[in-house]
Amino acid sequence: DAGVTQSPTHLIKTRGQQVTLRCSPKSGHDTVSWYQQALGQGPQFIFQYYEEEERQRGNFPDRFSGHQFPNYSSELNVNALLLGDSALYLCASSLVRLAGTKNIQYFGAGTRLSVL
Amino acid sequence: AQSVAQPEDQVNVAEGNPLTVKCTYSVSGNPYLFWYVQYPNRGLQFLLKYITGDNLVKGSYGFEAEFNKSQTSFHLKKPSALVSDSALYFCAVRVRNNAGNMLTFGGGTRLMVKP
Repeated sequence: DAGVTQSPTHLIKTRGQQVTLRCSPKSGHDTVSWYQQALGQGPQFIFQYYEEEERQRGNFPDRFSGHQFPNYSSELNVNALLLGDSALYLCASSLVRLAGTKNIQYFGAGTRLSVL
Repeated sequence: AQSVAQPEDQVNVAEGNPLTVKCTYSVSGNPYLFWYVQYPNRGLQFLLKYITGDNLVKGSYGFEAEFNKSQTSFHLKKPSALVSDSALYFCAVRVRNNAGNMLTFGGGTRLMVKP
């Protein structure tokens, strides 16, 4: 049973560029959440997708956007990259349809983004 | 607003000794509480959760945590530490009536277990 998979594992971009990160949820899961983990800090919630819609959003600017596909996979897009966007981006999947708010989020290994 | 505090950046313990990693939380409402562990260059691995019921929760790899509502704490414990337990530990909270799925994490505690 494959867990949460993310691609790519590492990415180097320059300021002002745009980036797309990808996530495939754990088999059977219907919800994908994205987190940003800056060096030495805990993960910060970006947004969550369920039934192909953004259901909840953290305190991140509109430069951060996402999408969920019919197969539940998801993309995170960041436009106009800033140096401060350098971080580990984590995707987490869960089964909300059955577990509701008691669901457990399972995380992928992350994509490390470096903005130069 | 909800928040989590992990007051210790690092905890050092000798192998075979008991360990405690501290976590306190602040939420408006009843919480669901979680512990995750992160190894180098890896994502977060789920350890255990408190949803309701018994205040002592048992999880993976011999870890347990005690929910204390009056002290708003959820400390992680293990009776006998292993060198392989050395990692970064995160406590997280979700409010029960949270219409979404957001987890709020603490800043993390690095556990160092020395032989």
